[in-house]
Amino acid sequence: DAGITQSPRHKVTETGTPVTLRCHQTENHRYMYWYRQDPGHGLRLIHYSYGVKDTDKGEVSDGYSVSRSKTEDFLLTLESATSSQTSVYFCAISEGQEQETQYFGPGTRLLVL
Amino acid sequence: GNSVTQMEGPVTLSEEAFLTINCTYTATGYPSLFWYVQYPGEGLQLLLKATKADDKGSNKGFEATYRKETTSFHLEKGSVQVSDSAVYFCAPFAGTYKYIFGTGTRLKVLA
Repeated sequence: DAGITQSPRHKVTETGTPVTLRCHQTENHRYMYWYRQDPGHGLRLIHYSYGVKDTDKGEVSDGYSVSRSKTEDFLLTLESATSSQTSVYFCAISEGQEQETQYFGPGTRLLVL
Repeated sequence: GNSVTQMEGPVTLSEEAFLTINCTYTATGYPSLFWYVQYPGEGLQLLLKATKADDKGSNKGFEATYRKETTSFHLEKGSVQVSDSAVYFCAPFAGTYKYIFGTGTRLKVLA
């Protein structure tokens, strides 16, 4: 199994509070991704990173920011959580950027009340 | 634009039945095609992939053939087991960093 952990695994928070989710990898892969999974939508890309301090937006980036100060860690922040951000969040990594297999973490279930 | 269509689930089968999950896609060029599987409470993991036309990906008894002419990548298994119960995602690679994930098809196999 790819060495990917996510923390926390479950979180309940209130609307308007900041939330940070962490993804940690031990594979030294260059590329990291954050997805959200919602019923009827499959997985949608929020942000991705192609190196330390190199990040870019995915298709559903509004309301989210990311940071990557070390190869192994990729943080996703909800600056002011809203109920529409209730979802399951998955981190993924890949060795390359072209046609590469992605390896997924176990997910974080977030409930915003 | 790029998109993928999977058959609606849930699909409920008896053990040892034949499985087909349809997947069709639209994408620029000739992308690599992937099937991922998600077991309950877990993240997605690669099931199989094919990188060019007429390639057949296979793993754990599952197969899928890259059909360029019909832009399809249907997943099949000859005899399903209870342990195959999961959600299956078709995912064409749509360009740098971008996979297009289908909505997923939930499979339930009854003993």
